[in-house]
Amino acid sequence: EIVLTQSPDFQSVTPKEKVTITCRASQSIGSSLHWYQQKPDQSPKLLIKYASQSFSGVPSRFSGSGSGTDFTLTINSLEAEDAATYYCHQSTSLPRTFGQGTKLEIK
Amino acid sequence: QVQLQESGPGLVKPSETLSLTCTVSGGSISSYYWSWVRQPPGKGLEWIGYIYYSGSTDYNPSLKSRVTISVDTSKNQFSLKLSSVTAADTAVYYCARVGGSKVTAIDYWGQGTLVTVSS
Repeated sequence: EIVLTQSPDFQSVTPKEKVTITCRASQSIGSSLHWYQQKPDQSPKLLIKYASQSFSGVPSRFSGSGSGTDFTLTINSLEAEDAATYYCHQSTSLPRTFGQGTKLEIK
Repeated sequence: QVQLQESGPGLVKPSETLSLTCTVSGGSISSYYWSWVRQPPGKGLEWIGYIYYSGSTDYNPSLKSRVTISVDTSKNQFSLKLSSVTAADTAVYYCARVGGSKVTAIDYWGQGTLVTVSS
């Protein structure tokens, strides 16, 4: 099973700040790494697929990079509405797995 | 835009079988993989398994002995059965679409339904 480890687990940030969340895979997964945003009491929403491809309708301040085992989600100029938990997810091998999540709090 | 809606009992007794159905609207169930993911209260996401519209399946080994996912293309629905449930199976259960192929991202999710296992 591929283990995805996100860091940090929690981050408190101010609006307009730039935020970086990392996801490290226990073995190489190529570019089959996807990022989701989950707000309280909502289902997850796809932000980035295949490490760096923005999903339809996602604001341009969200971007992704990486390949192999190390991946990054970047949020430029954070907005209050970005308060959420962010998850990475791999689709290379079975079972599919998710990172433990990174909770972003807006100060 | 495709929409997914979970339905089923919100309360299941220990040792019984959890049964949920996902109804897909705004698009055909054909030519996609369809997945179930669960989230215990306050915790992270766990992939349960997926099914292709043709009926082929893959399951999480941690649940494989208890899980069955099936599809009914005539109703544009797919279903989850989880047997011998315990309190550890209490979670929000999401149905979701895997876009394009089975190695791509889950792109659309249902709103989720909370299933509590309790006597």
